[in-house]
Amino acid sequence: SQQGEEDPQALSIQEGENATMNCSYKTSINNLQWYRQNSGRGLVHLILIRSNEREKHSGRLRVTLDTSKKSSSLLITASRAADTASYFCATDDRGDGNKLVFGAGTILRVKS
Amino acid sequence: DGGITQSPKYLFRKEGQNVTLSCEQNLNHDAMYWYRQDPGQGLRLIYYSQIVNDFQKGDIAEGYSVSREKKESFPLTVTSAQKNPTAFYLCASSTSSNPSTDTQYFGPGTRLTVL
Repeated sequence: SQQGEEDPQALSIQEGENATMNCSYKTSINNLQWYRQNSGRGLVHLILIRSNEREKHSGRLRVTLDTSKKSSSLLITASRAADTASYFCATDDRGDGNKLVFGAGTILRVKS
Repeated sequence: DGGITQSPKYLFRKEGQNVTLSCEQNLNHDAMYWYRQDPGQGLRLIYYSQIVNDFQKGDIAEGYSVSREKKESFPLTVTSAQKNPTAFYLCASSTSSNPSTDTQYFGPGTRLTVL
């Protein structure tokens, strides 16, 4: 079963604009991770946020976590054409800590 | 794609045949995972292994088998019992068997097509 669900399913923006993607999940978590996938390639880890954190930054990435709403957002500032990819959130499940559960992803297209 | 490789990149299979997908890592990671990805969907866990000579079923293990005889290798066999095997298969590894806190490193994937 899928734990995380991303929104929107697809997003198209101009280079230089900010891109915001959202993730909602169902059960209590320990941590939430965001991954990126270029077309036809493997996933690359972007950032991990713990359940006791509300916000985390890494370069042009900003992640927020609201455990009361069971949701997270990924903001990419000053987007570039090279940011074009699919973005997935992944959560653990406190009931089964042996695996990550991935959402269906948001497809981001940055037009130059 | 880090130190984790998958082969082949593309694989074609006739119905009724078993095929084995290779996954090798030189990261000295204890844990390894196999995922299946269908178009427009997220990853679904097939099998995972937390240590050599041990593995566990994931959410969609039916029609698949694995082995973990060496730390660096975790091959996946797609058997003829898998009714809809056409998909993109991703292998991953992590330092320990705690996916909650560990980053997973992914291979480049194998695209399997059943003819």
